[in-house]
Amino acid sequence: EPEVTQTPSHQVTQMGQEVILRCVPISNHLYFYWYRQILGQKVEFLVSFYNNEISEKSEIFDDQFSVERPDGSNFTLKIRSTKLEDSAMYFCASSVAENYGYTFGSGTRLTVV
Amino acid sequence: GENVEQHPSTLSVQEGDSAVIKCTYSDSASNYFPWYKQELGKRPQLIIDIRSNVGEKKDQRIAVTLNKTAKHFSLHITETQPEDSAVYFCSAGAGSYQLTFGKGTKLSVIP
Repeated sequence: EPEVTQTPSHQVTQMGQEVILRCVPISNHLYFYWYRQILGQKVEFLVSFYNNEISEKSEIFDDQFSVERPDGSNFTLKIRSTKLEDSAMYFCASSVAENYGYTFGSGTRLTVV
Repeated sequence: GENVEQHPSTLSVQEGDSAVIKCTYSDSASNYFPWYKQELGKRPQLIIDIRSNVGEKKDQRIAVTLNKTAKHFSLHITETQPEDSAVYFCSAGAGSYQLTFGKGTKLSVIP
């Protein structure tokens, strides 16, 4: 079964540092997403990406966040200046069409210290 | 925006019994309702979904019902097994790109 791949699985960073989380969506999927899940809480939408541009973003996705699809296969989330409250599990997801069952990656656990 | 409420937050059932998890949503434009199962430390996995043009969908021991008028949808698991123990999330999408998730139900199936 095709999978969404995320790297790294764990990332520890100093407050104020930049981090880049990487994702390889399923190859024939056209819609890409980032979600985050603070420990023990619900999954929260960050951003969706289609046709090489952001299609929707939430209030969480402020100016410190950016996404990019640099080479046609990778899909990255950059957090420019990390804060303690950015500590969470970040899930990438992809889908073949909008509103069609997402496949989630295994997540990157980000810890900001 | 959309708001999804999910109940209960925890649910314990004896093996072999049924489990029911209920969700409500606020946006009448929502038309897609997937359910995800998340085992400890793992990714959410889609287990079943339903669209607004049907009222019920079943896949083996799992069924989902949707009442569009009342803006309710529910997950039913019959003949529960220990491997059903996980956190279950309901979600709703409105033809846009994002899903709004409920807060999750931790299901424990007691052998």
